[in-house]
Amino acid sequence: KNQVEQSPQSLIILEGKNCTLQCNYTVSPFSNLRWYKQDTGRGPVSLTIMTFSENTKSNGRYTATLDADTKQSSLHITASQLSDSASYICVVSRTGGGNKLTFGTGTQLKVEL
Amino acid sequence: NAGVTQTPKFRVLKTGQSMTLLCAQDMNHEYMYWYRQDPGMGLRLIHYSVGEGTTAKGEVPDGYNVSRLKKQNFLLGLESAAPSQTSVYFCASTSGVNTGELFFGEGSRLTVL
Repeated sequence: KNQVEQSPQSLIILEGKNCTLQCNYTVSPFSNLRWYKQDTGRGPVSLTIMTFSENTKSNGRYTATLDADTKQSSLHITASQLSDSASYICVVSRTGGGNKLTFGTGTQLKVEL
Repeated sequence: NAGVTQTPKFRVLKTGQSMTLLCAQDMNHEYMYWYRQDPGMGLRLIHYSVGEGTTAKGEVPDGYNVSRLKKQNFLLGLESAAPSQTSVYFCASTSGVNTGELFFGEGSRLTVL
């Protein structure tokens, strides 16, 4: 069964600290892996998208890594800010037609002063 | 530059009533999707479309119908609303499911009493 599991479920960190979110997947055949940020009451917004051949991609203070062999990805947030408080969703795409996205349940991150 | 626009943003229905959610995108995307998001669950695909005039069932299609008469619009209908359909609904579109970025609307919060 195609699944995407994220950990931790929730996380609280102090402003300025770094953190790493995890994503494990069993989706096959793999096409790409995406990380989204979803602010409360808003739609998800894309942070990164990585294909099989990419093992790291950055977007500002966000750095995603991908290990396609172990089917694991991580999202590292550097020097966190209050505005980073959100849900971070891992999405894995299979090759094929138009409905091949599997969503994780997200990690709820709260950044505090 | 509107992107993906959903209307209405909020709606309260009584059991058995009908309604239609409208999704409009101005990016000339072929692929459009309707998802629902419930607490503790990942986004779940209701229906999707791979082009004008086409629709297909997703993971949780029961109780919903869709139409894509124009390329830029994707309508989600509830013929007889049930309390189990209380959720936040998101529309999304992309130019290509394998490598294209997925753009989401801001969501439509539906409550069925």
